[in-house]
Amino acid sequence: KQEVTQIPAALSVPEGENLVLNCSFTDSAIYNLQWFRQDPGKGLTSLLLIQSSQREQTSGRLNASLDKSSGRSTLYIAASQPGDSATYLCAGVHQAGTALIFGKGTTLSVSS
Amino acid sequence: KAGVTQTPRYLIKTRGQQVTLSCSPISGHRSVSWYQQTPGQGLQFLFEYFSETQRNKGNFPGRFSGRQFSNSRSEMNVSTLELGDSALYLCASSFWDRDNTEAFFGQGTRLTVV
Repeated sequence: KQEVTQIPAALSVPEGENLVLNCSFTDSAIYNLQWFRQDPGKGLTSLLLIQSSQREQTSGRLNASLDKSSGRSTLYIAASQPGDSATYLCAGVHQAGTALIFGKGTTLSVSS
Repeated sequence: KAGVTQTPRYLIKTRGQQVTLSCSPISGHRSVSWYQQTPGQGLQFLFEYFSETQRNKGNFPGRFSGRQFSNSRSEMNVSTLELGDSALYLCASSFWDRDNTEAFFGQGTRLTVV
């Protein structure tokens, strides 16, 4: 059974810091991986999708990478801002399936 | 381009009742998936529909069911509600081919069972 672990569970940083969120899968047979952001009580906002043929994706201050051989992904946030405060979730689709398997998330708090 | 629309946003139901939630996907998307989010279990996959057929199902009891219509709109139904069914129910739509699997989520339906 695929399990996803996100480390750390919570993170508090001052504005301006660069930070790395980690995600790992017990089964490295991941077809693709998607990072989401969730604000309290809201739905999920897609941040980045790494397709099967890709190793990383970038959008603005965000960069995500995927190492399929080890089943690990990282989300790098540059120059963090208070508006980045949210819960960040990673989710993968197994090669044999279509469902997104989610980690429990990393709750980020950026103080000004 | 309209996003994923879920209705209603909030529901309060009594134990034993049934409830139907609705999801309208992004235009052109054929895949609709449903997820349950609770503080203890996080996000868990319920089922996925693609072109009106259930293609994948998570590990939930038969009280949870769904369907998809020809216009790709989907509904999920929960019968004989239990207190533990209180959760945020999220719907995701995707174009879904093997080169384009990005999922887009709605704002969710907050179900409270009393």
